[in-house]
Amino acid sequence: GAVVSQHPSRVICKSGTSVKIECRSLDFQATTMFWYRQFPKQSLMLMATSNEGSKATYEQGVEKDKFLINHASLTLSTLTVTSAHPEDSSFYICSARVSRGPRNTQYFGPGTRLTVL
Amino acid sequence: GESVGLHLPTLSVQEGDNSIINCAYSNSASDYFIWYKQESGKGPQFIIDIRSNMDKRQGQRVTVLLNKTVKHLSLQIAATQPGDSAVYFCAETPLYNQGGKLIFGQGTELSVKP
Repeated sequence: GAVVSQHPSRVICKSGTSVKIECRSLDFQATTMFWYRQFPKQSLMLMATSNEGSKATYEQGVEKDKFLINHASLTLSTLTVTSAHPEDSSFYICSARVSRGPRNTQYFGPGTRLTVL
Repeated sequence: GESVGLHLPTLSVQEGDNSIINCAYSNSASDYFIWYKQESGKGPQFIIDIRSNMDKRQGQRVTVLLNKTVKHLSLQIAATQPGDSAVYFCAETPLYNQGGKLIFGQGTELSVKP
């Protein structure tokens, strides 16, 4: 199956610093990637849709200036949490949509645990 | 709309028994459904999918049933094993939606007792 990686797997940072999370599709091209946020014991909440070569589309309530998304190539999307605060601590997960064929299947990365002190 | 944060319902089964996890979906226009398994601290893992022109699909030890009349989806796991312990999410999406958004259900935590 399609493999999606994320880096780093976990990060601890001080309040006010910025953190970059990478999402890569390893064996397929993904014109569309998605970024989710997940709190403990809760479902995945879509933050934004990342399209290669264009601006990301953010969900309602998600600050685009705080969560910067760049999709520079067909295999890489990055999420930068700017000026992180403790309330940004969460599990961030990316997914990549398989570009070939009609199926709207998304494959997920392993997630990044962000802890802001 | 998007899934709302709620405490996860739980299902506890004995090892070897069959498990049935249910999901009610919201959008009548959705025509493609996916079940994901998420183990603690990991990303969701694709299990099985089904299109709306089907009402049943089988995989290895798993079966997905779709009832479009009542907008209900279920995942059946045969001979449940300890390794099946995880949170299971259903997701819905329009099949040919180029936007590709998935709408996730709230999830069910499956606990398998040895």
